[in-house]
Amino acid sequence: EDQVTQSPEALRLQEGESSSLNCSYTVSGLRGLFWYRQDPGKGPEFLFTLYSAGEEKEKERLKATLTKKESFLHITAPKPEDSATYLCAVWWSNYQLIWGAGTKLIIKP
Amino acid sequence: NAGVTQTPKFQVLKTGQSMTLQCAQDMNHEYMSWYRQDPGMGLRLIHYSVGAGITDQGEVPNGYNVSRSTTEDFPLRLLSAAPSQTSVYFCASSLDRAEKLFFGSGTQLSVL
Repeated sequence: EDQVTQSPEALRLQEGESSSLNCSYTVSGLRGLFWYRQDPGKGPEFLFTLYSAGEEKEKERLKATLTKKESFLHITAPKPEDSATYLCAVWWSNYQLIWGAGTKLIIKP
Repeated sequence: NAGVTQTPKFQVLKTGQSMTLQCAQDMNHEYMSWYRQDPGMGLRLIHYSVGAGITDQGEVPNGYNVSRSTTEDFPLRLLSAAPSQTSVYFCASSLDRAEKLFFGSGTQLSVL
């Protein structure tokens, strides 16, 4: 069964403490992987799209990387405003998106 | 630009009632979709449309209807609400089904 699994479910960090979020997938025929950020009470907001293994994208304190079976969202020296739920979604060969359940990130000042 | 606008923000229904969730976008996007978000689960696709007059079912279509008479609007109708439809509903649009999605702010629906 095609699946997208995000880990950990929740992550608490001190301000400035770098870490990584994981998105692993078992779909065949990957066409792309998306990362979104979701703030409480709001819809997801697009961050990155990755298309092939080895690809990396960066935006401010965030860097997304992709391998053949997983993607990492690295957050460097996070600030409290980086607190949110981070979602990944995999676009596969039948043109459907499969979404992970998300990682809730809390950055304490 | 307003982006994707959803109404209402909150709604409480009784079992068996019907209602329509409204969604409008002003970005001239061809692709529009409806998702539901439940705790501990990924977003699940209900229905989608690749252009005016064209709609198709997603992963969890039962109990919902959609229509797309214009490029801008994509309403979602609950035919006879059930407690299992208690969820947060998001409308999203994009230039193409393979492109990044722009989401509305969501509708929190409770069915009693």
